[in-house]
Amino acid sequence: DTAVSQTPKYLVTQMGNDKSIKCEQNLGHDTMYWYKQDSKKFLKIMFSYNNKELIINETVPNRFSPKSPDKAHLNLHINSLELGDSAVYFCASSQSKGNTEAFFGQGTRLTVV
Amino acid sequence: AQSVTQLGSHVSVSEGALVLLRCNYSSSVPPYLFWYVQYPNQGLQLLLKYTSAATLVKGINGFEAEFKKSETSFHLTKPSAHMSDAAEYFCAVSDGGGFKTIFGAGTRLFVKA
Repeated sequence: DTAVSQTPKYLVTQMGNDKSIKCEQNLGHDTMYWYKQDSKKFLKIMFSYNNKELIINETVPNRFSPKSPDKAHLNLHINSLELGDSAVYFCASSQSKGNTEAFFGQGTRLTVV
Repeated sequence: AQSVTQLGSHVSVSEGALVLLRCNYSSSVPPYLFWYVQYPNQGLQLLLKYTSAATLVKGINGFEAEFKKSETSFHLTKPSAHMSDAAEYFCAVSDGGGFKTIFGAGTRLFVKA
């Protein structure tokens, strides 16, 4: 049973399109995250939600909009996709705050052409 | 503010040799420290974590790390490398009170037969 699942795993789209990535966790965790991993493997936090409330928004363009319908789900919608958005996006969850380990999904490889 | 520096973007060892991956951190409060491993095309998974208990932390797959406050280091070691250890390794720091975990740039471990 997958703990943190993301869909889709691969996403290829044209510049200017709008796309969404879905994430679900079945661990009962309160906190969920979106991370972006670039081509050099650098991992940077984008958003953090705790009990459906946005806690961290790390200078991410307004084109990125997270939505958490309940604490088990955190989706990421991206408007007007740009070439520079190409990366691997990881969803993660943790039991509470930053003193506990994060459980990561398999990642969504987004390629903008 | 917190930060993590991983020394060496690539480390190459022979099978059976000692693995040493270096991590130095900066934190204004007592830190929580983590090592994660990422295999190709997968999400990150926790190897071990330090949360102010014992300074020598044992993790999965024979890895361990020692917290040295005086050196602000949390280096990862394994006595004998195995081919299956080839992966990307990330050191991370959290203040435990917030919702942000900062990741290092990663170290790619190569294991030669």
